[in-house]
Amino acid sequence: SAVISQKPSRDICQRGTSLTIQCQVDSQVTMMFWYRQQPGQSLTLIATANQGSEATYESGFVIDKFPISRPNLTFSTLTVSNMSPEDSSIYLCSVEGQGSTDTQYFGPGTRLTVL
Amino acid sequence: DAKTTQPPSMDCAEGRAANLPCNHSTISGNEYVYWYRQIHSQGPQYIIHGLKNNETNEMASLIITEDRKSSTLILPHATLRDTAVYYCIAESGYSTLTFGKGTMLLVSP
Repeated sequence: SAVISQKPSRDICQRGTSLTIQCQVDSQVTMMFWYRQQPGQSLTLIATANQGSEATYESGFVIDKFPISRPNLTFSTLTVSNMSPEDSSIYLCSVEGQGSTDTQYFGPGTRLTVL
Repeated sequence: DAKTTQPPSMDCAEGRAANLPCNHSTISGNEYVYWYRQIHSQGPQYIIHGLKNNETNEMASLIITEDRKSSTLILPHATLRDTAVYYCIAESGYSTLTFGKGTMLLVSP
């Protein structure tokens, strides 16, 4: 399985500011994803990070609020823009395993608190 | 993706087998059953998946009924470190996972 790291592991931010979260994988992967987990809730897919093209967003998530970059096959960033307290969540990236039937492996997550 | 139904919580004594049920009565022929777990404050961890046959790996066993409408994840000798939320997902293979509320498994001494 892939080894995935995320930076930062946690942050406390002021409303109206933006935070960029980095996701690094130790091997090249085709599919990378970003999820959000609000307090006490399950995971919700934000978008699929596509290498070389714009990310594919799920219903309810827009590029202006959650811009995503995917410059290569091992790295992606998610920015949470113009934050409000409702953005306080854990943000997780995941990758699809090589040669598997869509098994996904998750990073440790970034815990964001917006004041 | 087929909807899955799991009990919200279960208890298990340490050392005993934990049997976590999942109902997926609307599963289609090309959908796999995946199990993940999330230990508190960590990212989800892949456990096992299967299509029709029972599967076993170093973590768990997956028993899928013949009609594929339900399955059971078995942790043969539960430890305190197995306390986590367990998610059962029926997924067709288009690379997105839909997480439900899962089952909170509490393993007690």
